[in-house]
Amino acid sequence: EAQVTQNPRYLITVTGKKLTVTCSQNMNHEYMSWYRQDPGLGLRQIYYSMNVEVTDKGDVPEGYKVSRKEKRNFPLILESPSPNQTSLYFCASSLGGEGNQPQHFGDGTRLSIL
Amino acid sequence: QQPVQSPQAVILREGEDAVINCSSSKALYSVHWYRQKHGEAPVFLMILLNGGEQKGHEKISASFNEKKQQSSLYLTASQLSYSGTYFCGTGRNYGGSQGNLIFGKGTKLSVKP
Repeated sequence: EAQVTQNPRYLITVTGKKLTVTCSQNMNHEYMSWYRQDPGLGLRQIYYSMNVEVTDKGDVPEGYKVSRKEKRNFPLILESPSPNQTSLYFCASSLGGEGNQPQHFGDGTRLSIL
Repeated sequence: QQPVQSPQAVILREGEDAVINCSSSKALYSVHWYRQKHGEAPVFLMILLNGGEQKGHEKISASFNEKKQQSSLYLTASQLSYSGTYFCGTGRNYGGSQGNLIFGKGTKLSVKP
C-alpha cells in the first residue's frame, strides 16, 4: 500500500531533550516536506527536499533540522525542543517538485514539549 | 505570502451548495485543494494549473482564474461527508516549483442533517 509513515504518532517530552520524528515513503517520490499545524494558522512549511541531499528552508525552519540521505526517508530533528514547538506535525511527499503533483500526507505526529 | 481563504467557516444543511475562495497576491502556477477531517491528515482533492482550468471531483469542482490570481472550490448538493477543513495551497514562485508550496489558513465546513 502506497503510504507516508511517521513515527511516533504521539510524543510528550521535556524542554531541551533532543528528539527525532521519522518519515518514510514507499512511493519512490522525489519531493518530501515537513509542515506544522497550529490552530488558526493552517499548515506552515518547515523544510522541504527536492531530492536526495537537497533540502531547503520553508516558512518556519527555526529550531528544526532535516536530512535526506536516502530517497525514502526525511527525518525531522529537534535538537533542543522548546514549548513553542508543541504542535501537530505532518510529513508529505509527492512525485516531483513541480506544482502539478499532489502531496500525500502522513497521519501526523502530535508533539507536546513541557 | 500565505493565500487568503474565505470564508473562514461555513455551516450548511445537507443538499445546500457552498463556494470557498482562495486568493493570492502573487502570480500563480498552480493551486492545490485538500480536505482535512478532524484528527486526520489532509487528503488531496485536486490541482489546477494556470490557463483558467476547471476540474471536477464528484460533486466538488474548482476553477482557477490566473488573471485574478484566485481559485474557487464549489461544493454542490453537500453531503455530511463533506464536513471538514478545506485548504488551498499555492506555489510561491511562478514557474512550477512546488518547493515553496504555501497553504492558506483553511475554511471549516460543517454540514448538518
